[in-house]
Order: sequence, then C-alpha cells, then structure tokens
Amino acid sequence: AQTVTQSQPEMSVQEAETVTLSCTYDTSESDYYLFWYKQPPSRQMILVIRQEAYKQQNATENRFSVNFQKAAKSFSLKISDSQLGDAAMYFCAYSPHPNTGTASKLTFGTGTRLQVTL
Amino acid sequence: DSGVTQTPKHLITATGQRVTLRCSPRSGDLSVYWYQQSLDQGLQFLIQYYNGEERAKGNILERFSAQQFPDLHSELNLSSLELGDSALYFCASSLDYRGTEAFFGQGTRLTVV
Repeated sequence: AQTVTQSQPEMSVQEAETVTLSCTYDTSESDYYLFWYKQPPSRQMILVIRQEAYKQQNATENRFSVNFQKAAKSFSLKISDSQLGDAAMYFCAYSPHPNTGTASKLTFGTGTRLQVTL
Repeated sequence: DSGVTQTPKHLITATGQRVTLRCSPRSGDLSVYWYQQSLDQGLQFLIQYYNGEERAKGNILERFSAQQFPDLHSELNLSSLELGDSALYFCASSLDYRGTEAFFGQGTRLTVV
C-alpha cells in the first residue's frame, strides 16, 4: 500500500521569505501523480501543484515549485515570497497513474501547518 | 470556488441516527469521490463513483453507503452514527474516472453528540 509521510507538523516563515515543506512517499509503482493541496481556515481543499512521476522536470506554479526526487521518493514544496494568505494546512498526496489500473484515489499525508508572520 | 457544491455545511445529530450528505459535482464531471477528514484518521478515501456506478472503495464502514444519481449528484448515507463518526466529509469531482485532477467541495462538518 502506498503511504505518504509529512514529518513537519508545523512550520513558520516570515512574509516575503521562502519556505520548504517536506514530503516522502512509498510506492512500488513507477507511474503515479503527486500533489500538494492547501487547506486554509475555510476548510476548502485547494490544489496547489501537481507532478507526474514520469516527468523529470519539476512542476512550477507562480510562487510555488516542487523538488521531485523520484529515486529518493521525496516531493518537497517550495513557497517563494511568502504571503499572509499562504497560511494554511498543506497536504501532500499521492495518486496511482490511471495506466496502472489501480483506483485513482488520493492518499494524503498528515499535513503541515504553515504560519506566516510579519 | 471549485464548482463542487456540498450540502449541508454543518450537521449536528445524535448517536444512532442516520444522515444524508449531498454533493453536486462540477458541470461536466462524471466522477465523484468521498473523503473523510478526522483528527485521529486524517484524510481518508471512502468511495468513488463514475457515471452512476461504484468505481472504487476505500476504508468505508458498512454503516455508510453512497450512490450517484442519473443527474450525477451523489449522496453519502451515514447510519447508526457513533461519536467517532464526527468528521469533515469532503466530496471531490473529476472529469473522468482517472482522477488526475480532482476538485474538492467545502465539506460537510458532521458532529455526532
């Protein structure tokens, strides 16, 4: 079974600074998807960024980028120029690739609470 | 706004009761997923429906059931409720069964007293 581990329960960053959230996962598959979701106090789960395992290039979405290390099964999220609105719970998630025939469910980590200070 | 609508937003009920949570997927999405978020279990996949048929099942209790209707909305039925069922229940939808990009609703906060 796939597992996702987030070892940082809480992180803090100053506004305008850069922070990196860590995530490791375990799978025997070679094709899969990895995601970072943001959950602000409103509880909405918002997709931040997605990485396809067969793509070597790290995904980037504006101030958000990932460092995907497939051999190490590591998938960290870097937030640049942090803003107050980035304060939220961040979840790393794994999903099997459709080609594996496995159900496309998301397996989540336990989350990292990010605090942004002035 | 993700386009996924869940009702009600909050629900308080007593142990032993039965409740129904409703989800309307984004326009055009055929697949609906249900997830449970609780303090002790974290975010867990419950069940997936695609175009009216059950596609995948996760850690869903026998007391829980779901269905997807011809208009593609879905309902999650929770019966014989226990205190431990108190959680945030999310619905997500995606265009097809592959779920490579799922959009979440705002969740239904269920409190069992």
